[in-house]
Amino acid sequence: QLQLQESGPGLVKPSETLSLTCTVSGGSISGTTYYWGWIRQPPGKGLEWIGSVYFRGSTYSNPSLKSRLTISVDTSKNQFSLKLTSVTAADSAVYYCARQSCGTDCYSGVGHFDYWGQGTLVTVSS
Amino acid sequence: QSALTQPASVSGSPGQSITISCTGTSSDVGVYTFVSWYQQHPGKAPKLMIYDVRNRPSGVSDRFSASKSGNTASLTISGLRAEDEADYYCSSYTSSRTLVFGGGTKVTVL
Repeated sequence: QLQLQESGPGLVKPSETLSLTCTVSGGSISGTTYYWGWIRQPPGKGLEWIGSVYFRGSTYSNPSLKSRLTISVDTSKNQFSLKLTSVTAADSAVYYCARQSCGTDCYSGVGHFDYWGQGTLVTVSS
Repeated sequence: QSALTQPASVSGSPGQSITISCTGTSSDVGVYTFVSWYQQHPGKAPKLMIYDVRNRPSGVSDRFSASKSGNTASLTISGLRAEDEADYYCSSYTSSRTLVFGGGTKVTVL
């Protein structure tokens, strides 16, 4: 059974960088029919797609975050990561990592999220 | 990018059917079949209920069905049960090579 687990600091100071890692177990991150994505949910609000990465390193990201965002993959560790710079209180949220299945036509970031991590709360505060 | 439009809340009695709408544009829902639906119970991670407009993953009840017409996708829950009470989100691929979620719909079982 595929499992995803987010890890990283639960508290980040304003203007600093938020860094999270997602560790994938029970399957390989190098599958050709998957992307690996990050989604966040501010307390009491809806879901927001942050971005996704293919095992070969290509990424797609939310235009509203793109200038501050880096998503990368480490196939040797079966992990992918998120870095968001210059954070503010508006970046406080539960951050989820998820597998994005794109079927046989994996192109340009298509797909749906079929496996999710449990989520990790990140609070931006001094 | 703008979120897809969903009603804030929908309610129904046990055994009834309810439908949640998800309205996008000709740049997302209207042009792609990459529409999915997620169920989220409080404090839990979302769960995939429907993908590619109308397909159910293994293990999802056939009481959940979905369709799309023009710029609007719809999720129908038949034979409503207490455990269906949750938040539901739609999502679509867009022509900008991004993914967008709807604002979410709270389903209440009366």
